[in-house]
Amino acid sequence: EAQVTQNPRYLITVTGKKLTVTCSQNMNHEYMSWYRQDPGLGLRQIYYSMNVEVTDKGDVPEGYKVSRKEKRNFPLILESPSPNQTSLYFCASSLQGTNQPQHFGDGTRLSIL
Amino acid sequence: AQTVTQSQPEMSVQEAETVTLSCTYDTSESDYYLFWYKQPPSRQMILVIRQEAYKQQNATENRFSVNFQKAAKSFSLKISDSQLGDAAMYFCAYRSAGYLKAAGNKLTFGGGTRVLVKP
Repeated sequence: EAQVTQNPRYLITVTGKKLTVTCSQNMNHEYMSWYRQDPGLGLRQIYYSMNVEVTDKGDVPEGYKVSRKEKRNFPLILESPSPNQTSLYFCASSLQGTNQPQHFGDGTRLSIL
Repeated sequence: AQTVTQSQPEMSVQEAETVTLSCTYDTSESDYYLFWYKQPPSRQMILVIRQEAYKQQNATENRFSVNFQKAAKSFSLKISDSQLGDAAMYFCAYRSAGYLKAAGNKLTFGGGTRVLVKP
């Protein structure tokens, strides 16, 4: 089954404790993105990758890191999480080409205390 | 930069009635895509309908239809014969069609409209 898999689905942690949210897709997609969702603001792009070893900042990259060492995986790293990073996070992927549909993961709810 | 605005934080509709959700956007591009996504309590992002800006004909998908007014930069969603399963958060989204501006096929979202369906 074609899917984007995020883990964990829920995480409660404390300020300053490094964490990684994993994202994996099995559709051989070139493009992958991370978004965060906040009430009233919709989803905003954090980082994106257009292929292996090619990553770039989205609209809200501060406090986040990403890597794309393999085509299927695109982890989101919070090196020193802070309470303002409490949010719902989505990973998305698509084939190259602007007419290609986005496939979303099921979301990760992060709470930073 | 493009912006998407949904002016209705919440809408309520009686089962079997029709509800229309508003969306306006701002862009200087001529070629782009517009989308409506549904997010039920399960948090999944479900694509409801898509419109290509170069197409004058409004997109329809079963009970869902859009009113796309390119000059006015307006893209409303009409849900006909509303069902209890339509209760969800709905997001309007924009995507550039230009490859050089692809940004990983970035979607720019509005703030969302919560739809409540009364039995």
